[in-house]
Amino acid sequence: AQKITQTQPGMFVQEKEAVTLDCTYDTSDPSYGLFWYKQPSSGEMIFLIYQGSYDQQNATEGRYSLNFQKARKSANLVISASQLGDSAMYFCASLRDTNAGKSTFGDGTTLTVKP
Amino acid sequence: NAGVTQTPKFRVLKTGQSMTLLCAQDMNHEYMYWYRQDPGMGLRLIHYSVGEGTTAKGEVPDGYNVSRLKKQNFLLGLESAAPSQTSVYFCASSSHWGGSDQPQHFGDGTRLSIL
Repeated sequence: AQKITQTQPGMFVQEKEAVTLDCTYDTSDPSYGLFWYKQPSSGEMIFLIYQGSYDQQNATEGRYSLNFQKARKSANLVISASQLGDSAMYFCASLRDTNAGKSTFGDGTTLTVKP
Repeated sequence: NAGVTQTPKFRVLKTGQSMTLLCAQDMNHEYMYWYRQDPGMGLRLIHYSVGEGTTAKGEVPDGYNVSRLKKQNFLLGLESAAPSQTSVYFCASSSHWGGSDQPQHFGDGTRLSIL
């Protein structure tokens, strides 16, 4: 079974600084993908970034980047230049549309950006 | 664009009552999912569907039933509600590009309380 582990229940960061949110995964699939979602206090789930296991380069989307270390089975989210609006819950997930029943989310990290 | 629409947004039930949550998507996605999110936790997959007329069990299917009679709709039913089913329910959908992982698009959630 797939398992996603986010070891940081809560994180604080000063506005304009960078922050790394940890995610480790455990899968026996040879091919897999990892996603990060943001859930603000309003409750909606917002897709941020995706990393495929065969991607040669780390994914980047604006201020979001993924530090993907396949050998360590980690896919950490890096947010640069934090903004107050980044305060939210962040989820790492493995969502396999080739095996939809294996869709798995971590328990999330609550990020608080301090002014 | 409506994306994924869930109805109702809030509901309070008494133990033993039944109800159906409706999810509708207008993106012509093949795959649809129902998750539950308990306080301070990630999303857990209840049931999912990889196409019209097909459904399958996820991680926590007990006490729930689903149907997908039309491609755009995915219904989640609670036959006899229990307090343990108090949660926030999210519906999601995704496309399927021949084995390439696609992000799931989420509805805004349904907050369900069972008294």
